[in-house]
Amino acid sequence: DIQMTQSPSSLSASVGDRVTITCRASQGISNYLAWYQHKPGKVPKLLISAASTLQSGVPSRFSGSGSGTDFTLTISSLQPEDVATYFCQKYDGAPWTFGQGTKVEIK
Amino acid sequence: EVQLLESGGGSVQPGGSLRLSCAASGFTLSNYGISWVRQAPGKGLEWVSAIRGSGDTTFYADSVKGRFTISRANSENTLYLQMNSLRAEDTAVYYCAVRINWDIFWGQGTLVTVSS
Repeated sequence: DIQMTQSPSSLSASVGDRVTITCRASQGISNYLAWYQHKPGKVPKLLISAASTLQSGVPSRFSGSGSGTDFTLTISSLQPEDVATYFCQKYDGAPWTFGQGTKVEIK
Repeated sequence: EVQLLESGGGSVQPGGSLRLSCAASGFTLSNYGISWVRQAPGKGLEWVSAIRGSGDTTFYADSVKGRFTISRANSENTLYLQMNSLRAEDTAVYYCAVRINWDIFWGQGTLVTVSS
């Protein structure tokens, strides 16, 4: 099975900082990569699909890039409401695999 | 509008059984593969099982193989997950999720607690 390695596992940044989270697939997955924001007690919120397609209603400070095996989620200017855990997910076929998650906090 | 609504969660003793349901609307379930995903308390997301749109192929995580069975009732546009021989480590919120083209839609989740 394809493994997804996400880093870092946690980060602390100041409001307004640029934040980058990476996800690496053990094999190529084309663009079948999604990024989620997950807050406690809530349903995971899909931010980006197809590696770089921003979902409707998601602030433009979020962006995704990459293809094949290496992917990046960028928050261009971190806001207090962005405190959450972020997951990547490969969804080219079963099994879906998720990254370990990145907990984002405000410094 | 695509919607998924899970039900059937609850508390059960170790070794017990539960059947989860996922009612789909806004799309025809038999046209798409669909998965169950879970999140245990304080843990990350774990894919559990999937069934192809044709219904002829099912997939399971090693952690549930032989204990869980995924199935679908096309006439009801509903997905099921029969969970037998439940263990404490199966305690989690269970979500159904479907990929439609490049997008992924999730239900609200249902909580399963396995405890004596």
